[in-house]
Amino acid sequence: VQLLESGGGLVQPGGSLRLSCSASGFSFATNAMTWVRQTPDKGLIWLAAISYDGLNKYYSDSAKGRFTISRDNSKNTLYLQMNSLRVGDTAIYFCARTVAFEDWGRGTLVTVSS
Amino acid sequence: DIQMTQSPSSLSASVGDRVTITCRASQGIGTSLAWFQQKPGEAPKSLIYGASTLQRGVPSKFSGSGSGTDFTLTINSLQVEDFATYYCQHYTDYPLTFGGGTKVEIK
Repeated sequence: VQLLESGGGLVQPGGSLRLSCSASGFSFATNAMTWVRQTPDKGLIWLAAISYDGLNKYYSDSAKGRFTISRDNSKNTLYLQMNSLRVGDTAIYFCARTVAFEDWGRGTLVTVSS
Repeated sequence: DIQMTQSPSSLSASVGDRVTITCRASQGIGTSLAWFQQKPGEAPKSLIYGASTLQRGVPSKFSGSGSGTDFTLTINSLQVEDFATYYCQHYTDYPLTFGGGTKVEIK
């Protein structure tokens, strides 16, 4: 199993980023997927989850209304569109397989700063 | 939301020790609980799901138990590579939440 996040970087407050998570080594199309972020002060915070077929999506309060999770099973790729970014969104963002986080990517750093 | 409380937040132990970490859920979660290990600069690694089922490749010195609201992670015969931070997480319902972590340090 391999999960590889990309798309992180430096963005100004109010800006947008789209994170991608490329999956391999398992049947992507039959697994729910999740996004979580980590900061030293707040620890691990779950952001969003999506069912195997993309029909059901779930968000934390901190993600609702600003972040959108999606997937393309034909490309074995998971996405997180992040809009209206705030300084407090600065974190390492991980994708993970299943709601029990059975496999993790290595993470991508998102820095929101002017 | 279900709150997950881990204790202790940190502990010091020696190589060869047996270590127990507890995780308490603010309401019953059955056995929908996972444990993770994280070393500095690395992503978390899944150790246990279903409260007591070892992930593939995880050595049997790790064990989990509990159901409802109280859970434990036990590490037998602590080795240098086991010094890390450990997290619990429930997945019984949304929002998914994690415990605050337990840092296991070398005494």
